[in-house]
This record gives sequence, C-alpha cells and structure tokens, in this order.
Amino acid sequence: RKEVEQDPGPFNVPEGATVAFNCTYSNSASQSFFWYRQDCRKEPKLLMSVYSSGNEDGRFTAQLNRASQYISLLIRDSKLSDSATYLCVVNLDTGFQKLVFGTGTRLLVSP
Amino acid sequence: DAGVTQSPTHLIKTRGQQVTLRCSPKSGHDTVSWYQQALGQGPQFIFQYYEEEERQRGNFPDRFSGHQFPNYSSELNVNALLLGDSALYLCASSIYPRESLSYEQYFGPGTRLTVT
Repeated sequence: RKEVEQDPGPFNVPEGATVAFNCTYSNSASQSFFWYRQDCRKEPKLLMSVYSSGNEDGRFTAQLNRASQYISLLIRDSKLSDSATYLCVVNLDTGFQKLVFGTGTRLLVSP
Repeated sequence: DAGVTQSPTHLIKTRGQQVTLRCSPKSGHDTVSWYQQALGQGPQFIFQYYEEEERQRGNFPDRFSGHQFPNYSSELNVNALLLGDSALYLCASSIYPRESLSYEQYFGPGTRLTVT
C-alpha cells in the first residue's frame, strides 16, 4: 500500500464548479499535512497546510480526518487558473521534515 | 526577498557520468531537502541537510550524496548515472523545527536532468 494515495484524475470541470479531492495516508503517526499545487513542468507550490480543525483560504477548504486517515481539498467557484496538479503531502516524522507526496490529482477547468 | 534558487536549469549527461546540482535556500531558512520527481509521479524524498549534516535519508542508493555549506546552500551529487536517474530534481528549504512546529517547505524551480 502506498504511503499517500490520491485519485490521479483528471477531473474535468466547468468554470464556476465546485470540485473535491480526497487523499488517504497509511501511517497513523503522521504529524503534518499539506496541499501543494504543481503546474506543468514547474515546482510544487504550497497551497495550504491542513489543520485538525479544518481550515479555509478563500475558495479553498481543507479538512483532516485522523480517525479515517484522509485529507480533503474543496475548491469552490473554479477558475481557469486553477487547472493544475494538486499534490497531497504528509510529514511522517516529528522533529524532521521528510515529506511524502502522493502522485497528484490533475484538475482541468474549462470555459 | 529571493526564494529558493537552483542551478543549472537543465542538464544532459551520459550514462556513467557524474553530476552536481546546486541549491540556495530562501533567506532565513537553514534546512535543505532534496527530492527526485520522475514524470507523472510525485516528488520522492532523497535526503535532508541541517547544520551541514545529513539528517534524514530516503530510499536512494549511495550514488546519491550531498553537502551543505556554512551559508546553508547545498549540493546534490549523483555518481555513475543511470538512464533511470532522468528526472526533475527539486530542492526545498525550510526552518528546522526547533522552536516552531511549522514544517512548511518551499521549493526551487528544479533542475531537469536527462541521462542518455
């Protein structure tokens, strides 16, 4: 079983749609969780950290369910510029920063 | 405020050769991590440097080695290159979590290595 699993997609949605991605992780001792965005042939960019209570940043909402070991990302009112690959990331070790990435979920927003 | 920088941008090498990639962390960061990203995959952790020492290592062979300098910049060295080493090599910088629980890492633009 992979440490971090994501549906690779692609998710094809029209502008203005709401889309949700889920991600599961296998190590229950995981400490920190993130969503990164990666555009084609570019570096990953931190989108948001994911906190136990859930957090929101504009059109983006992240949720963490430790009991079920999954993380979600909700994007509301999708824009063309949201087209990218969204990487679910887990930090496994306390005191270290060994990030484990999922393979990413590709989102395509069309006019 | 400069972000994470990496050099070179692109590199083409032949099997068996050696390569050195360079990274300068974001201002105020003291920890550098290296990742390998093959096409269609998420980045894979290679190792992390803090205080000029390798602190953590992923499942990569000894052909992959690194170094961190007193100014926090870092190098990744790969010996005896294989075709399978062709990938995007990413450097990420962060603050070592001694006072803060933040583990946010910020990535450089990467070096695209092609081995022929």
